[in-house]
Amino acid sequence: NAGVMQNPRHLVRRRGQEARLRCSPMKGHSHVYWYRQLPEEGLKFMVYLQKENIIDESGMPKERFSAEFPKEGPSILRIQQVVRGDSAAYFCASSPLGQGTEAFFGQGTRLTVV
Amino acid sequence: QQQVKQSPQSLIVQKGGISIINCAYENTAFDYFPWYQQFPGKGPALLIAIRPDVSEKKEGRFTISFNKSAKQFSLHIMDSQPGDSATYFCAASRSSNYQLIWGAGTKLIIKP
Repeated sequence: NAGVMQNPRHLVRRRGQEARLRCSPMKGHSHVYWYRQLPEEGLKFMVYLQKENIIDESGMPKERFSAEFPKEGPSILRIQQVVRGDSAAYFCASSPLGQGTEAFFGQGTRLTVV
Repeated sequence: QQQVKQSPQSLIVQKGGISIINCAYENTAFDYFPWYQQFPGKGPALLIAIRPDVSEKKEGRFTISFNKSAKQFSLHIMDSQPGDSATYFCAASRSSNYQLIWGAGTKLIIKP
């Protein structure tokens, strides 16, 4: 049973480009959460999605950031017009029952904006 | 009120010693307190968790102590091993909510 799969593991983008981060949840999990981690800090909640629905996006910046979890395929976190401050590790977690507290985390995507 | 304060920021312990990491919270509505272990380049992995109906939970060498009145909880690692060297995060949430509020992390180094 594969764990939560995130790709790419590392992503370098120039300022102004778009970044697309993908997350495939564990088999049987239909709840996905995205977190951002800055160096030497804990994780910060961004968004919670179920299949085809955004449940809570209160932690996500209003501009440039969007997330989706389509009926088929992985969840996508999209950052448009990236800026240096977007450089961080982005983690995806999934859970089977909507209990984000017992979610399993992927290995993260490390985004570097140059 | 949403914060979880974690200390120390870093900790060095001799092999075989006891590692102790502390966390404090403000929101009395929190009722789930997990600890996560993160190795460099990896995602966080759930280590152990506690709910406020018990004051202590033990799993192998890892113990959570919980003090509801003081709004504090701590992780104890007994007989610490070099393989325990990692960053440890405490977190808190409400059962009715799915958002984990994370501490800032403690970088633990176990010296052989």
